[in-house]
Amino acid sequence: DGGITQSPKYLFRKEGQNVTLSCEQNLNHDAMYWYRQDPGQGLRLIYYSQIVNDFQKGDIAEGYSVSREKKESFPLTVTSAQKNPTAFYLCASSINWGAYSNQPQHFGDGTRLSIL
Amino acid sequence: DQQVKQNSPSLSVQEGRISILNCDYTNSMFDYFLWYKKYPAEGPTFLISISSIKDKNEDGRFTVFLNKSAKHLSLHIVPSQPGDSAVYFCAARDDGSGNTGKLIFGQGTTLQVKP
Repeated sequence: DGGITQSPKYLFRKEGQNVTLSCEQNLNHDAMYWYRQDPGQGLRLIYYSQIVNDFQKGDIAEGYSVSREKKESFPLTVTSAQKNPTAFYLCASSINWGAYSNQPQHFGDGTRLSIL
Repeated sequence: DQQVKQNSPSLSVQEGRISILNCDYTNSMFDYFLWYKKYPAEGPTFLISISSIKDKNEDGRFTVFLNKSAKHLSLHIVPSQPGDSAVYFCAARDDGSGNTGKLIFGQGTTLQVKP
């Protein structure tokens, strides 16, 4: 079954700790994205990657880092510098990117991160 | 500054009736609009989209209308079913974002369809 897999579903972070959220897709999509959702708010873009070995900051990149070493994988690290990490994190992918490709982004089922 | 706004946090309709969810935007560079449906503890599911060169797109019970002059789009669900109860997000692509395909999301509207 093709899709986007995020793991773990729930994650707890201790103060001063870095944690990594996994996102894997087998859709052969070029572009991948990380969003954060807070209660009562829409999704806000953290980082995105249009191609392997390349990624750009989104609107709220501070305190986060990513890598894109493989087409199918786009892990997100929430560092200790992120002072308010409690949120629902969503990974998405799309078949291609840019303003001339009317293809929707497809989402995984998310990871809920909480602080201990 | 919220570029995509869904001003109704919630909407309740009777089964079989029409549900109309609204979305307003401020940036005239937005060229592609999408609606997503989201259940609790799940990721959003793509529903329907519309390009800025069109004013209507229909897919089964779902129709999206775009009024560019008013910078307004709406999602119509007819007839509404209890399984449609979810949070609905509208999103817009920023054509002025340097060809990144970046989406801007509204805050969401919670739809409840009563049997």
